[in-house]
Amino acid sequence: AQSVTQLGSHVSVSEGALVLLRCNYSSSVPPYLFWYVQYPNQGLQLLLKYTSAATLVKGINGFEAEFKKSETSFHLTKPSAHMSDAAEYFCAVSPPWMDSSYKLIFGSGTRLLVRP
Amino acid sequence: DGGITQSPKYLFRKEGQNVTLSCEQNLNHDAMYWYRQDPGQGLRLIYYSQIVNDFQKGDIAEGYSVSREKKESFPLTVTSAQKNPTAFYLCASSMGQLYGYTFGSGTRLTVV
Repeated sequence: AQSVTQLGSHVSVSEGALVLLRCNYSSSVPPYLFWYVQYPNQGLQLLLKYTSAATLVKGINGFEAEFKKSETSFHLTKPSAHMSDAAEYFCAVSPPWMDSSYKLIFGSGTRLLVRP
Repeated sequence: DGGITQSPKYLFRKEGQNVTLSCEQNLNHDAMYWYRQDPGQGLRLIYYSQIVNDFQKGDIAEGYSVSREKKESFPLTVTSAQKNPTAFYLCASSMGQLYGYTFGSGTRLTVV
């Protein structure tokens, strides 16, 4: 069965510092992978996705993620944190085989705090 | 612009009353989903629908009901049988596995 683990329910960084949010998946076959961001009292917004093309994926707001099959990871990074990056981030996985439900499996989320 | 509209954004109801949350999309997506979000518990799937007039239970369907009479609409009813209905509810839709979900802006339900 597919699963996804996000290490660290809270991550705190200083403004201008590197952001690293960790995501590991469990799957016998490399899945499709997604990162979403959620601001308070809002829905989730897609940041970026991996669908078996380039392993380094660039997304919105300066975020990027690298798919590493050997480590079953898809960590999210941003070189320099901004106050506006403070939000909750969710990693999600979808199987690469045909699944008519299109269901995603979500990690438990990581809340990013940015210190001035 | 295409998207998903959830209404209302905030909803207050008395204990024991049924309440229906609206979710409408104009993206022409086949699949739609309802999730519940509680602090520190991530997203939990309530119901999903792959096509009109068909839907399946998710992980926490007890106390909830849905309908899918039109492709664009997937309303969720929180019944009096739901023991702890106060939560943030998110609706989403999808056009396929490669695309992930598009989410609505959510409805915060408070039962007093």
